[in-house]
Amino acid sequence: GAGVSQTPSNKVTEKGKYVELRCDPISGHTALYWYRQSLGQGPEFLIYFQGTGAADDSGLPNDRFFAVRPEGSVSTLKIQRTERGDSAVYLCASSLGRWMASPLHFGNGTRLTVT
Amino acid sequence: DAKTTQPTSMDCAEGRAANLPCNHSTISGNEYVYWYRQIHSQGPQYIIHGLKNNETNEMASLIITEDRKSSTLILPHATLRDTAVYYCIVSDSDSWGKLQFGAGTQVVVTP
Repeated sequence: GAGVSQTPSNKVTEKGKYVELRCDPISGHTALYWYRQSLGQGPEFLIYFQGTGAADDSGLPNDRFFAVRPEGSVSTLKIQRTERGDSAVYLCASSLGRWMASPLHFGNGTRLTVT
Repeated sequence: DAKTTQPTSMDCAEGRAANLPCNHSTISGNEYVYWYRQIHSQGPQYIIHGLKNNETNEMASLIITEDRKSSTLILPHATLRDTAVYYCIVSDSDSWGKLQFGAGTQVVVTP
């Protein structure tokens, strides 16, 4: 079946610009997660949604980062006033729910490059 | 900081079993052990998880020591497509979804 879809796969933007990254989770998955992966490192948690609400946004690095999931399905990660340090692969994952037997299914990410 | 320690890299011959170790000496009683892998340019892929008992599925086996301070992921017959970074993660219900990946083990399967 269809997995987690992330668009665009690559995004190049200039320092100071605004970007939006989209995630389409697996149909029926109520939990959605955003992670960020810098070169040579493991993914780092950013934010988690259960349904439409952000249940935990403790991983967002600062207030330039914001994410929404208005209808409980598609989510958008928004980054304002991008900085070169924001360059990374942004990964989205979804799961059936928030319990131990429900593994995370990841998309292939959006590679963001800030020039 | 990640709660697990893994070797930086491992080589494995195609067709042989790959045994990937992981130390998690500070694991608490309600924390599960999870394994994910990440093939180049792809997102992480779930492999297996366990609490106390050994587990097996179509991808791998997970052996957890009796004191739960370490575990081993076993790929029974490694193929070239198993070349990836393998992450060992511990997580409980309170932090579920906030996975701490660490640096993982780069496994290279050679012909």
